[in-house]
Amino acid sequence: NAGVTQTPKFRILKIGQSMTLQCAQDMNHNYMYWYRQDPGMGLKLIYYSVGAGITDKGEVPNGYNVSRSTTEDFPLRLELAAPSQTSVYFCASSRTGQGVNSPLHFGNGTRLTVT
Amino acid sequence: QQPVQSPQAVILREGEDAVINCSSSKALYSVHWYRQKHGEAPVFLMILLKGGEQKGHEKISASFNEKKQQSSLYLTASQLSYSGTYFCGTENQAGTALIFGKGTTLSVSS
Repeated sequence: NAGVTQTPKFRILKIGQSMTLQCAQDMNHNYMYWYRQDPGMGLKLIYYSVGAGITDKGEVPNGYNVSRSTTEDFPLRLELAAPSQTSVYFCASSRTGQGVNSPLHFGNGTRLTVT
Repeated sequence: QQPVQSPQAVILREGEDAVINCSSSKALYSVHWYRQKHGEAPVFLMILLKGGEQKGHEKISASFNEKKQQSSLYLTASQLSYSGTYFCGTENQAGTALIFGKGTTLSVSS
């Protein structure tokens, strides 16, 4: 049981480049989330999904896109990378979501630098 | 909507106690607590559901006062391994995702 797997672990992008951060979970969780964490700051919700085909914006969605075609995968797309998107990105999943009454399981994160 | 945590930082010696508070401006159904060590992912500690239950995890316990929309995390007889940043999380307006506070950094020294 791998849990939540994120790839890549590290990436350096040039301004204006695009990339996709991959996230997969093998726990059959319906709910999946993307957070970003800037140095010394808390976790900010970017997008989340309550099931395949359903996504919704979080606190800081600008500059990102997501899709959820399967229960297992929830990729995060950066279209035109900007230095402000330099951050550590965490993907998480949980069994249920209403009232968020199940623990979130986090991946190990992707450290992204945009220069 | 972001919950407010206090204090921002705590410095302890081994064996001392600490309390971390989390408050929200909206009615809550649940409060989560997570711990994150430097360079690692957050790890789940516990969930408090409305009803004021006090939950425990090793020597870490928490309470949830839904009337005051507050939760407190109690760390007793702290150990070196308790060092890290503690985050509380509360549900968003739709009740479908978790919004985190800015965190409380706990440093325990020998």
